[in-house]
Amino acid sequence: ELKVEQNPLFLSMQEGKNYTIYCNYSTTSDRLYWYRQDPGKSLESLFVLLSNGAVKQEGRLMASLDTKARLSTLHITAAVHDLSATYFCAVDADGYALNFGKGTSLLVTP
Amino acid sequence: ETGVTQSPTHLIKTRGQQVTLRCSSQSGHNTVSWYQQALGQGPQFIFQYYREEENGRGNFPPRFSGLQFPNYSSELNVNALELDDSALYLCASSLMTRGNTEAFFGQGTRLTVV
Repeated sequence: ELKVEQNPLFLSMQEGKNYTIYCNYSTTSDRLYWYRQDPGKSLESLFVLLSNGAVKQEGRLMASLDTKARLSTLHITAAVHDLSATYFCAVDADGYALNFGKGTSLLVTP
Repeated sequence: ETGVTQSPTHLIKTRGQQVTLRCSSQSGHNTVSWYQQALGQGPQFIFQYYREEENGRGNFPPRFSGLQFPNYSSELNVNALELDDSALYLCASSLMTRGNTEAFFGQGTRLTVV
């Protein structure tokens, strides 16, 4: 059974600070996705990572994938309040199902 | 906005009843997946439909069933509702291509079983 672990599960950070969210998974895969979810809302696709060494950036967020280490990171640079949300990584190991982590609940404070 | 629409947005049902949730996929997509998200948890894969056939199934009992129609829209049916079925049900639309299963999610249906 594929396991996807995110850490931390909860993160409170000050505006302007940097931080990294980690996503480890237990089986071979080169397809990893990051989603954002606001309270009571659906999932918004942030990044699609489809090969070892893939790095993608959008604004203050940067995601990377190391398939050999079975690790993806989501790096936050100079956090702002608008980034407060829950972030999920999801791994596809079989070509149809996304296996999600438990999510990282991020709160950015002044 | 992803172009994936679900109905209804909220629903309250009594234990033992049956429920049908609906999803219209994004234009150009041929695959629909359903996920259950309990409060405070990540989404769990229920099943996927491709070309009107079930293409994969997660660890959910047979009382969870589905359909996909020729226009790629889909239904999720749950029989004999239990209290633990209370969750946000998410429909995800994608284009079945080799090597990329990026999915776009609808706004979800919040089901409460009392």
